[in-house]
Amino acid sequence: AQSVTQLGSHVSVSEGALVLLRCNYSSSVPPYLFWYVQYPNQGLQLLLKYTTGATLVKGINGFEAEFKKSETSFHLTKPSAHMSDAAEYFCAASGTASKLTFGTGTRLQVTL
Amino acid sequence: DSGVTQTPKHLITATGQRVTLRCSPRSGDLSVYWYQQSLDQGLQFLIQYYNGEERAKGNILERFSAQQFPDLHSELNLSSLELGDSALYFCASSESLSSGNTIYFGEGSWLTVV
Repeated sequence: AQSVTQLGSHVSVSEGALVLLRCNYSSSVPPYLFWYVQYPNQGLQLLLKYTTGATLVKGINGFEAEFKKSETSFHLTKPSAHMSDAAEYFCAASGTASKLTFGTGTRLQVTL
Repeated sequence: DSGVTQTPKHLITATGQRVTLRCSPRSGDLSVYWYQQSLDQGLQFLIQYYNGEERAKGNILERFSAQQFPDLHSELNLSSLELGDSALYFCASSESLSSGNTIYFGEGSWLTVV
């Protein structure tokens, strides 16, 4: 069975600072990996996904993530945080079945 | 706008009652998923349908049931409601069963059981 672990339920950064949200997965087979963002009172929006090929994946809104098999990680980064990035971020994985297994989420706060 | 439509957006009902949540997937998507989001359980997969047939089951209670109709819309039925069923219920859809498919989420149905 797959599991996804997000380290840090809350992360606070200053506007303009680097954003780093951590995600580790546990899977017996290489998974497909996703990052979703949830703004207040909204649904989940896909930021980016890793399926095969290049391990550095670029997504929307300036976010990117790197798949590191040796570390079983898929951390999300953004070079410079903006106030509009404040939201909850979910890492997810899918394996042989298409359903997603989600991490517990990380709430990102961006301060002035 | 993901293209996945859920109704109602908000619902308040009493314990012991039954409610139906409705979902229209994105045009062309054959697979529909239901997820429950609550503060204590996080995002939990409930059930998946593909082209009208149940394909996967997760942490779905026996009091809950779902179906996907020939026009591909889906309904989640919640019965004998308890306070703990209060949550945000998401419907999502994808083109196929491929694991790499992007899964698109609706905005959710907020259920409050009082």
